[in-house]
Amino acid sequence: QKEVEQNSGPLSVPEGAIASLNCTYSDRGSQSFFWYRQYSGKSPELIMFIYSNGDKEDGRFTAQLNKASQYVSLLIRDSQPSDSATYLCAVRYSGYALNFGKGTSLLVTP
Amino acid sequence: DAGVTQSPTHLIKTRGQQVTLRCSPKSGHDTVSWYQQALGQGPQFIFQYYEEEERQRGNFPDRFSGHQFPNYSSELNVNALLLGDSALYLCASSSMTGDNGYTFGSGTRLTVV
Repeated sequence: QKEVEQNSGPLSVPEGAIASLNCTYSDRGSQSFFWYRQYSGKSPELIMFIYSNGDKEDGRFTAQLNKASQYVSLLIRDSQPSDSATYLCAVRYSGYALNFGKGTSLLVTP
Repeated sequence: DAGVTQSPTHLIKTRGQQVTLRCSPKSGHDTVSWYQQALGQGPQFIFQYYEEEERQRGNFPDRFSGHQFPNYSSELNVNALLLGDSALYLCASSSMTGDNGYTFGSGTRLTVV
């Protein structure tokens, strides 16, 4: 069974701080990694994806991938109350299916 | 540019009945995947359709079946509904490779009573 693990939270950070969300996965053969944001009662929304070791930045978001340690993280700089949501990590192993973690709930307090 | 559209939004069915959910992919996408999301859980992969064929399937019983039409739209059928089938059903579209990620529709909330 290929596992994707996330701390369920809630992770609480003050407005303007950096939120750090982490995800570990079990299969070293994993190909690609995705972060989705899901507001309560809504569908997942793609934030960014990463394939190669290292960092990938997009605006206030940075994804970090370390294949040797089998973890991927998402940093949100200058966190805003509107960032409060559940963040889903998804890993694509072989084939086309995304394997999702259960998500981390983020709360940004004003 | 229309995103992924799903219908209906909500549905209530009785145990043992059958249900059909529908999805139209985002413009430019030709591949459709279906996911089931139970409350408090991440989405679980059901299957993916490309070129009108199921090309990958997750760990779901054959009560779950699907179809893709020539215009790339797709249906998910669930037979002999169980109470445990109550969930949010999400359709995701992508290019053939899926390398740029999957775009999700707003989902269908199915309640089995």
